[in-house]
Amino acid sequence: RKEVEQDPGPFNVPEGATVAFNCTYSNSASQSFFWYRQDCRKEPKLLMSVYSSGNEDGRFTAQLNRASQYISLLIRDSKLSDSATYLCVVRTGANNLFFGTGTRLTVIP
Amino acid sequence: EAGVTQFPSHSVIEKGQTVTLRCDPISGHDNLYWYRRVMGKEIKFLLHFVKESKQDESGMPNNRFLAERTGGTYSTLKVQPAELEDSGVYFCASSQTFDRGYGYTFGSGTRLTVV
Repeated sequence: RKEVEQDPGPFNVPEGATVAFNCTYSNSASQSFFWYRQDCRKEPKLLMSVYSSGNEDGRFTAQLNRASQYISLLIRDSKLSDSATYLCVVRTGANNLFFGTGTRLTVIP
Repeated sequence: EAGVTQFPSHSVIEKGQTVTLRCDPISGHDNLYWYRRVMGKEIKFLLHFVKESKQDESGMPNNRFLAERTGGTYSTLKVQPAELEDSGVYFCASSQTFDRGYGYTFGSGTRLTVV
C-alpha cells in the first residue's frame, strides 16, 4: 500500500471555479503535512503546510483530519496560473518525506 | 539568497556508464536530501545527510548508488554502472531545521536518461 494516495486527475476547471483535492495517508504516526505545487518539468515548491486546525492562505485552504488520515486542499476563484500538479506530502519520522503521485489541475479560460 | 542548485540539468548516458550528479544546498543548511522520480511514479526518498554524515540512506535502491557530502557542503550522487531503470529525475533538497512545520527547498533536478 502506498504511503500517500491521491486522485491523479486531471481536473479541468473554468477560471473562477472552486476545486478541491484530497489525499489519504497510511501511517498514523505521520507528523507533518504539506501541499507542494509542481509545474511541468520544474521542481516541487512548497505551497503550504497543513495544520490540524486547518489553515488558509489567500485563495487556498488546507485541512487535516488525523482520525481519518485525510488531507484536503481547496482552491477558490481559480486562476489560469493555478494550473499545475499538486502534490500531497507527508513527513513521518525526523526527515523522510512521502509524496503522492500528484493531482493535475488545468484551469481553462 | 541562492536556492538549491543542481547540475547537470540533463544527462544522457549509455547503460553501464557512470554518472555523477551534484547538488549545492542553500548556504547554512545542514540537512541535504536526495529524492528521485521515475516515470509514472511518485517522488521517492533516497537519502539524508546531516552535515557530512549520512543520517538515513534507507531509500538507496542498491549499491550502484553512492552519495557523498564532503565537508558538509555540496553533495554528489554517483551511479555506477547505470542501468535503464535508473532513468528519472533526481531532486536534491535542503533544510535548516527539523521544525515539524517546515518544508524543504528543492533544486530544479537532474533529468537522467540511460539508453
